[in-house]
Amino acid sequence: QMQLQESGPGLVKPSETLSLTCSVSGGSINSDRYYWAWIRQPPGQGLEWIGTISKSGTYFHNPSLKSRLTISVHPSKNQFSLNLTSVTAADTAVYYCARHQSPTIAVPIDRWGRGTLVTVSS
Amino acid sequence: DIVMTQSPDSLAVSLGERATINCKSSQSLLYTSNNKNYLAWYQQRPGQPPKLLFYWASTRESGVPDRFSGSGAGTHFTLTISSLQAEDVAIYYCQQYYSTLLTFGGGTKVEIK
Repeated sequence: QMQLQESGPGLVKPSETLSLTCSVSGGSINSDRYYWAWIRQPPGQGLEWIGTISKSGTYFHNPSLKSRLTISVHPSKNQFSLNLTSVTAADTAVYYCARHQSPTIAVPIDRWGRGTLVTVSS
Repeated sequence: DIVMTQSPDSLAVSLGERATINCKSSQSLLYTSNNKNYLAWYQQRPGQPPKLLFYWASTRESGVPDRFSGSGAGTHFTLTISSLQAEDVAIYYCQQYYSTLLTFGGGTKVEIK
């Protein structure tokens, strides 16, 4: 069964760049059977969709983050990644990588990583 | 943006009793060309990632107990737990995927009374 695992620093300084990687196991990003997403959840708060990408690079993002956000897919490594620049304390959250149910954004998210807490603090 | 509003924010229900969670969208989630409502429900237990319960408003994900049901269309949707069990303590979220700007409701916390 496909599993997703987030990795990256747990602490980022304000104004720096948050970089996370999602490693996919039990299936191939190259199969083009799914789209891939990032979602975040500030401590004690609700869920915020960050963005979604396909293997071929079709890309959707939350406009509230657009100017700071880059999501990339790395099929040869079976990974996809998130870069968020100029972070502030408001970017402190649990970051989840996830999978859409099929190769379109117009379907629910049916598989989630366990999440990784990223704290923005000096 | 499509705004998703859930109610109540929290509810406490006795074991074996019914729990009802409402979700309202700021615009219709019904795509008329296929007659599908682009609405999903998730369950998030403490310390865990969300888990998909329903999609297309009422299609149960594999493995979800049948005490859970999803209903509604257009702009009003409901998640019902017919007989609350201890393992159902969680926060429940609705989410629309009608728009390419995906949005979630604020969540409803379900507790045992």
